[in-house]
Amino acid sequence: DIQMTQSPSSLSASVGDRVTITCRASQSISSYLNWYQHKPGKAPKLLIYAASSLQSGVPSRFSGSGSGTDFTLTISSLKSEDFATYCCQQSYSTPLTFGGGTKVEIK
Amino acid sequence: EVQLVESGGGLVKPGGSLRLSCEASGFTFSNAWMNWVRQAPWKGLEWVGRIKSKTDGGTTEYAAPVKGRFTVSRDDSKNTLYLQMNSLETEDTAVYYCTTEWAVATIGWFDPWGQGTLVTVSS
Repeated sequence: DIQMTQSPSSLSASVGDRVTITCRASQSISSYLNWYQHKPGKAPKLLIYAASSLQSGVPSRFSGSGSGTDFTLTISSLKSEDFATYCCQQSYSTPLTFGGGTKVEIK
Repeated sequence: EVQLVESGGGLVKPGGSLRLSCEASGFTFSNAWMNWVRQAPWKGLEWVGRIKSKTDGGTTEYAAPVKGRFTVSRDDSKNTLYLQMNSLETEDTAVYYCTTEWAVATIGWFDPWGQGTLVTVSS
C-alpha cells in the first residue's frame, strides 16, 4: 500500500498569510495526487486534482505542485473561510489512500 | 446540480449488519465509478471500496479492513449506490461518505461527495 504523509499535522496562521502544506508518498505516484478541503459536518471538497490542476470554482489563491513523491498545496493569502482541514489523496493504485490531514487554525 | 445523498446510518451492535444508500442526481450515474470513504472519530479519511461502471466491467475493490465483510453494489435504474456492511466491529464506527470518481488519462479524483451518514457500532 502507498502511504501518504502530510506535514504539518496542524498549523496556526493569520488572515492574509501564505500557507504551505506538504504531502509525501511512500513511492513514486507521478501526478496521481489530489487535495481536498474538509470542514466539520460538511462534505469534503475537491481543490486540486492531478497534482496541479485547479478544480472549477475553486479560488485561484489555492495552488498545487509536485510530482513523484513530494507535493505541495499552497494558499497564497489565507481568508477566513479557509480555516479547515486539508488532506491529500493518491489515485495511483488501490487501495486509494489519504494523508492524515493538516488542520489550519486561526492564530 | 450534481448531488449525492447518503442514508441508512444508525446505531448497531457489534456483529450486526447495516445497509447504506447513496442517491445520485445531476449526472449520468450509470457512467460513473462510485466509492465509499469513511472517517472515524478523530481520524483521517479512509477509502472503503469502489464499484466501476458496468461499461467498465462493474467490478468492485475493497480496503483490507472491510474485505469479506462489506459489499458495494449499484442500481443504475435507481441512480443509487449501496454499501452492505456485515459483521460490524466497533472499529467501523465512522461517518460514511459516498463520492464519485472521475478521471482524465487514468488520473482519478473524487468529486462531489455526499454529506455523510454516521454509523455507530456499540453494545
